[in-house]
Amino acid sequence: QQQVKQSPQSLIVQKGGISIINCAYENTAFDYFPWYQQFPGKGPALLIAIRPDVSEKKEGRFTISFNKSAKQFSLHIMDSQPGDSATYFCAARAGTASKLTFGTGTRLQVTL
Amino acid sequence: GAVVSQHPSWVICKSGTSVKIECRSLDFQATTMFWYRQFPKQSLMLMATSNEGSKATYEQGVEKDKFLINHASLTLSTLTVTSAHPEDSSFYICSARRPPDTQYFGPGTRLTVL
Repeated sequence: QQQVKQSPQSLIVQKGGISIINCAYENTAFDYFPWYQQFPGKGPALLIAIRPDVSEKKEGRFTISFNKSAKQFSLHIMDSQPGDSATYFCAARAGTASKLTFGTGTRLQVTL
Repeated sequence: GAVVSQHPSWVICKSGTSVKIECRSLDFQATTMFWYRQFPKQSLMLMATSNEGSKATYEQGVEKDKFLINHASLTLSTLTVTSAHPEDSSFYICSARRPPDTQYFGPGTRLTVL
């Protein structure tokens, strides 16, 4: 019940296209859903996060869509750029004192 | 975003020696810090949760006597890998929680045990 399932495992998108990464969860106690971006050899960087009281959050080219009834959330990267090529992790947490549960990661490659 | 630093960024040591990795939150006080281990092309595996002034809470299967964690101040946590062996070679990443709940990660430390 603590799992967060992430798909796809890898994704190739052309420059300028939209990258979409999906995550699903079972634990209804999860109340915080961040996305992290990780480049090879670096630590994850917080991209954007959402709480279940809103259905969408946008920051620049990055948008989180959240569907509470379906227990799913997704990351959309608009106008994808080669510099966006990285591994993306979704995560979820149940309460501020709890640990993050991570998805398995999606390796995104944006081609020219 | 907030800044979390780690030192060293990479370390090579001989089998049987101990290695200490430092994690600092540079612009906020972190009552809670986390230590993760990451294998190539895999997700992050939580090793332990460190609370300032108290003993760390280790995840199941993580040897607390091998991976010593100290959270001596609100801005510093250390991970010591004792009697390191080649199988301990990995990418270790710390994370700090900025109140109330946002979690920031350090740049990671690449440990190679020969």
